[in-house]
Amino acid sequence: GAGVSQSPRYKVTKRGQDVTLRCDPISSHATLYWYQQALGQGPEFLTYFNYEAQPDKSGLPSDRFSAERPEGSISTLTIQRTEQRDSAMYRCASSLDVRDTQYFGPGTRLTVL
Amino acid sequence: SQQGEEDPQALSIQEGENATMNCSYKTSINNLQWYRQNSGRGLVHLILIRSNEREKHSGRLRVTLDTSKKSSSLLITASRAADTASYFCATDGVGSQGNLIFGKGTKLSVKP
Repeated sequence: GAGVSQSPRYKVTKRGQDVTLRCDPISSHATLYWYQQALGQGPEFLTYFNYEAQPDKSGLPSDRFSAERPEGSISTLTIQRTEQRDSAMYRCASSLDVRDTQYFGPGTRLTVL
Repeated sequence: SQQGEEDPQALSIQEGENATMNCSYKTSINNLQWYRQNSGRGLVHLILIRSNEREKHSGRLRVTLDTSKKSSSLLITASRAADTASYFCATDGVGSQGNLIFGKGTKLSVKP
């Protein structure tokens, strides 16, 4: 596609519910990153994929967070048993390769009530 | 954890003036990238400068990198009201997997 897309753009959920966020990267891009951005802050790294491999999960804040990219293109980020502190903008970025420019999607704003 | 630290936190200038934002970081890097974020919107990539480069230009943007001081600056010349946004530097650290570490950003306001 023309750029990185994410869905939904906004998600409101109740505490304790599970949510799944989707990222559709630029089609030729091998590498995909997930970031979490709190209001007034810069994005913070969560995890990344190189094709379908997930070499680094070090930024995931707890085991309630998981991500997949089973066919090396679309990725999902799932948060189980959401808590209010999970409320943030979740951003996905893709790049041709690991050291290249990262192009960001519009983000999903998650609100946990 | 955030590695980059932008300075100033906020900057207000008149249209036509130049805007300079600085970024300092802590560890050795492969490259440093600058992004712009309009209020509540997506991150737009501006420039990537690699650790072996000292200066890069793109239109009205000029980025410098001083690896000995672990700092970078972004200069926007002849600013326009449309340049009003938050500007972030992001570093790709040596030994990392390419994940970027962002600063907190500089909020630039350009008054017409």
